[in-house]
Amino acid sequence: NAGVTQTPKFQVLKTGQSMTLQCAQDMNHNSMYWYRQDPGMGLRLIYYSASEGTTDKGEVPNGYNVSRLNKREFSLRLESAAPSQTSVYFCASSPHYEQYFGPGTRLTVT
Amino acid sequence: AQRVTQPEKLLSVFKGAPVELKCNYSYSGSPELFWYVQYSRQRLQLLLRHISRESIKGFTADLNKGETSFHLKKPFAQEEDSAMYYCALRSGNTGKLIFGQGTTLQVKP
Repeated sequence: NAGVTQTPKFQVLKTGQSMTLQCAQDMNHNSMYWYRQDPGMGLRLIYYSASEGTTDKGEVPNGYNVSRLNKREFSLRLESAAPSQTSVYFCASSPHYEQYFGPGTRLTVT
Repeated sequence: AQRVTQPEKLLSVFKGAPVELKCNYSYSGSPELFWYVQYSRQRLQLLLRHISRESIKGFTADLNKGETSFHLKKPFAQEEDSAMYYCALRSGNTGKLIFGQGTTLQVKP
């Protein structure tokens, strides 16, 4: 089992560029999440998906969109990147109460 | 408002010393609390869940509803305990978690 995988590991974007962060899990979990991790701010929820076909906003959704393509995959899209979106992004999945995290994507927007 | 506060950004102790990582929460219902840990170059992972009342790697955490706290304790710190620790609160009946700001524990030899 690979668990939760994320691609890419690192990315540098220029302001205004777009990109999609990919996340997949092979544990058959219903729920999936996207977080951003910033120094002194902890992890903040961007979007989550309780099940295939549903998505909901978290604490900091502005500037992001998500797609729950199927049960395995949950992608995060930045339509027009801004320097404030420089962060480490984590995807997680959950069968019930415990969340399983991916390795993270370090994104820099210049 | 639902909130988790970890007042210390960094806690530095010597090996063998007791450790207490503080966590306070604000929640109107019956809280469900967790400690997650991120070791260097590893993924964030669950350490403790208050309902299970287990001791994991020598760590324990007791929910104190009167003080709205869920502090993480270990009597004798080890160098391998050095990591980032996050306290988290489950929001409602969803699986959503509200995380604190995190505390870096540094255990010196």
